[in-house]
Amino acid sequence: QQQVKQSPQSLIVQKGGISIINCAYENTAFDYFPWYQQFPGKGPALLIAIRPDVSEKKEGRFTISFNKSAKQFSLHIMDSQPGDSATYFCAAIYGGSQGNLIFGKGTKLSVKP
Amino acid sequence: SQTIHQWPATLVQPVGSPLSLECTVEGTSNPNLYWYRQAAGRGLQLLFYSVGIGQISSEVPQNLSASRPQDRQFILSSKKLLLSDSGFYLCAWSSDWDGELFFGEGSRLTVL
Repeated sequence: QQQVKQSPQSLIVQKGGISIINCAYENTAFDYFPWYQQFPGKGPALLIAIRPDVSEKKEGRFTISFNKSAKQFSLHIMDSQPGDSATYFCAAIYGGSQGNLIFGKGTKLSVKP
Repeated sequence: SQTIHQWPATLVQPVGSPLSLECTVEGTSNPNLYWYRQAAGRGLQLLFYSVGIGQISSEVPQNLSASRPQDRQFILSSKKLLLSDSGFYLCAWSSDWDGELFFGEGSRLTVL
């Protein structure tokens, strides 16, 4: 019940295309859903996050869509660029868990020029 | 501004040797501190977290240990490394849990 299932494991997109990464969870106590971006050899960095009281959050070319009833959330990268090539992790957490983020297994995105 | 430093960046150690990875945070006080391990294709695995000096919680039983001798210092250790300890180790911090983790640059450990 503590898992966050992420798909696909890898994704290849042409420059200018839309990249979509999906995550699903079981624990309805989760109340914060961040996405992290990790470049090779670097630590992950927060990209965008959402709370379950909204269905969508957009920051530039990055959008999180959240479906509370289906217990799913997804990351959309519009106009994907080669510089977006990285590994993306979804995560979830609930208040009182002392910061123990539950991470998905990651999606390696490659954007081809 | 807050910064997190982690070292060494890379380490090659023989099986059975000891390990010490160090992490320090600057520009904040009383952070929550975390050690994660990232193995290829297996995502981020939480190893230890600490909410204060001397307070360590372990998430995964293993031959690793963690210590927090000072407020902003977090150390990952092992007395005898195993081949399976190879991986990319990440230190991270958060403040009063607001949902954001700040990661260090990582330490790549290869056990031969």
